[in-house]
Amino acid sequence: KAGVTQTPRYLIKTRGQQVTLSCSPISGHRSVSWYQQTPGQGLQFLFEYFSETQRNKGNFPGRFSGRQFSNSRSEMNVSTLELGDSALYLCASSLSTRGTGELFFGEGSRLTVL
Amino acid sequence: AQSVTQPDIHITVSEGASLELRCNYSYGATPYLFWYVQSPGQGLQLLLKYFSGDTLVQGIKGFEAEFKRSQSSFNLRKPSVHWSDAAEYFCAVGAAGTASKLTFGTGTRLQVTL
Repeated sequence: KAGVTQTPRYLIKTRGQQVTLSCSPISGHRSVSWYQQTPGQGLQFLFEYFSETQRNKGNFPGRFSGRQFSNSRSEMNVSTLELGDSALYLCASSLSTRGTGELFFGEGSRLTVL
Repeated sequence: AQSVTQPDIHITVSEGASLELRCNYSYGATPYLFWYVQSPGQGLQLLLKYFSGDTLVQGIKGFEAEFKRSQSSFNLRKPSVHWSDAAEYFCAVGAAGTASKLTFGTGTRLQVTL
């Protein structure tokens, strides 16, 4: 059974640009969550999507957005990149329909903003 | 608001020695508690979880954790550490119904000496 797949694994952008990251969940999982991991702030919850609807949201500015498609694949977008957006972005999928299941994480997309 | 404290940033143990990683949480109701492990350049892997019931939970790779409500703790233990256990360990807390929105501790980096 394939795990959570994130693309791209590594990318470099410059300030002011935008970036789109993709996540394919485990087959059958309908919940997809996104986390940002930085050395200074640690792991922080961005948002969760379930059945194409945002179900939960963290405390990030509106520059961070996401969406989920009918096949449960998800994308997150960061517009007007700042240096502080450099981070490992982790996607996680869950089988649970009630938000109580365990999360299965991908290997992440490492974004560097210059 | 929920929070997690991992007081030990870095721990070094000898291979074969026992291990205990500390985790204290703050949450108003019965929490959902998790331990994840992250190897360099990798995503997070779930070691074990506590939702309810028996306060001593068994996980993968020989790890166990004990939920102590009176101490607001969920410490991770392993009786004999292997060199391959060297990694970063994260404790996390979630709420019922929104368990995809995890609050993580800052992590404990485990070094294993041979």
